[in-house]
Amino acid sequence: GIQVEQSPPDLILQEGANSTLRCNFSDSVNNLQWFHQNPWGQLINLFYIPSGTKQNGRLSATTVATERYSLLYISSSQTTDSGVYFCAVEETSGSRLTFGEGTQLTVNP
Amino acid sequence: KAGVTQTPRYLIKTRGQQVTLSCSPISGHRSVSWYQQTPGQGLQFLFEYFSETQRNKGNFPGRFSGRQFSNSRSEMNVSTLELGDSALYLCASSLEVGWGDEQYFGPGTRLTVT
Repeated sequence: GIQVEQSPPDLILQEGANSTLRCNFSDSVNNLQWFHQNPWGQLINLFYIPSGTKQNGRLSATTVATERYSLLYISSSQTTDSGVYFCAVEETSGSRLTFGEGTQLTVNP
Repeated sequence: KAGVTQTPRYLIKTRGQQVTLSCSPISGHRSVSWYQQTPGQGLQFLFEYFSETQRNKGNFPGRFSGRQFSNSRSEMNVSTLELGDSALYLCASSLEVGWGDEQYFGPGTRLTVT
């Protein structure tokens, strides 16, 4: 099956700093999504981005499908950005999402 | 539009018992998938239902089963619970007009097996 690797596994920032999270995947995909898992466990949709670039406020994402990677940018980070960020892909052969292991982001005041 | 809902939110069961979890998808969504999240294994796909048929299945033992009703609501059942079944169970729904539709997750059911 498809492999999904996220880096870095842990990231500690001061409030106001910028960060880049990376997701590498091993095969062609129909779907790539970025999620933020809140403290209660719910996965919050950030981006649906199988290719191209999108922006939503302080967050933006870019997926280069031909090179099999995606980047999530967080600018001017806030303490409320803390949590785990997951990248998940759906390979072309099926309808299941395969998740990376996540990046644990901690933003200190 | 209401999001994906899951019931119950928390559950404590004893080893050997069985449990049924419920998921109501977003209105109009036809596909429902289930995932298990544990600290050791991360997020793993359990199964996916579309039009009351299991379309895809992950690598879990037969103790894990599910079904989908005509209104797209879904249930999953775990029989003969083991301590290792303690996990957060997440349900996701999508329109499934074609492959690769965006998936939306519910708040999860946190199952503790003692």
